[in-house]
Amino acid sequence: NAGVTQTPKFRILKIGQSMTLQCAQDMNHNYMYWYRQDPGMGLKLIYYSVGAGITDKGEVPNGYNVSRSTTEDFPLRLELAAPSQTSVYFCASSYAGTGGYTFGSGTRLTVV
Amino acid sequence: AQTVTQSQPEMSVQEAETVTLSCTYDTSESDYYLFWYKQPPSRQMILVIRQEAYKQQNATENRFSVNFQKAAKSFSLKISDSQLGDAAMYFCAYRSSPIVIKAAGNKLTFGGGTRVLVKP
Repeated sequence: NAGVTQTPKFRILKIGQSMTLQCAQDMNHNYMYWYRQDPGMGLKLIYYSVGAGITDKGEVPNGYNVSRSTTEDFPLRLELAAPSQTSVYFCASSYAGTGGYTFGSGTRLTVV
Repeated sequence: AQTVTQSQPEMSVQEAETVTLSCTYDTSESDYYLFWYKQPPSRQMILVIRQEAYKQQNATENRFSVNFQKAAKSFSLKISDSQLGDAAMYFCAYRSSPIVIKAAGNKLTFGGGTRVLVKP
């Protein structure tokens, strides 16, 4: 009963480096989301997906890319990391419907 | 687009007493869902309570209850008999009905959060 699994939990990147944050869910949820949470703030949507092969931008997509080749996986790619991308990143999933999300435990990313 | 506002950055409560967190939202939709999430220092997001807009009855989960005022677009959370473990950030969130906005992924829109401090 893993739910939503995010890796890594912590990461330090240098400016200009790239990395992929991994997210996997085992609940057969069709919807998946990536949010970022800056210190003391709420969550802002980066990208979302309503099913395999379908992705769309959220509020703050610049500097990020996603793909959804399977129902289970929804990786978030950071290209050319910048200090403004220092944040905690949450992946979440849900059924298309009326319930809340199931969240992963988050990835704390620092760009120096 | 919907917006969610939490006007109280921080609230303090004595252990065993009651605290109420405010949330207002802006929407033109008639069918939607509202949530309160708790985020303890572990940063895990935990669903506390859920309210369907079409239901007049306020949702309750043990010591947590809401006061949902649809006309006023208000959705407050009451924590009764506060415990030390209730200390956390609390986020109010809005989700459109899937019937209305299916193609847009039923995104959750979050407020900025309220930090709850519990004094022993």
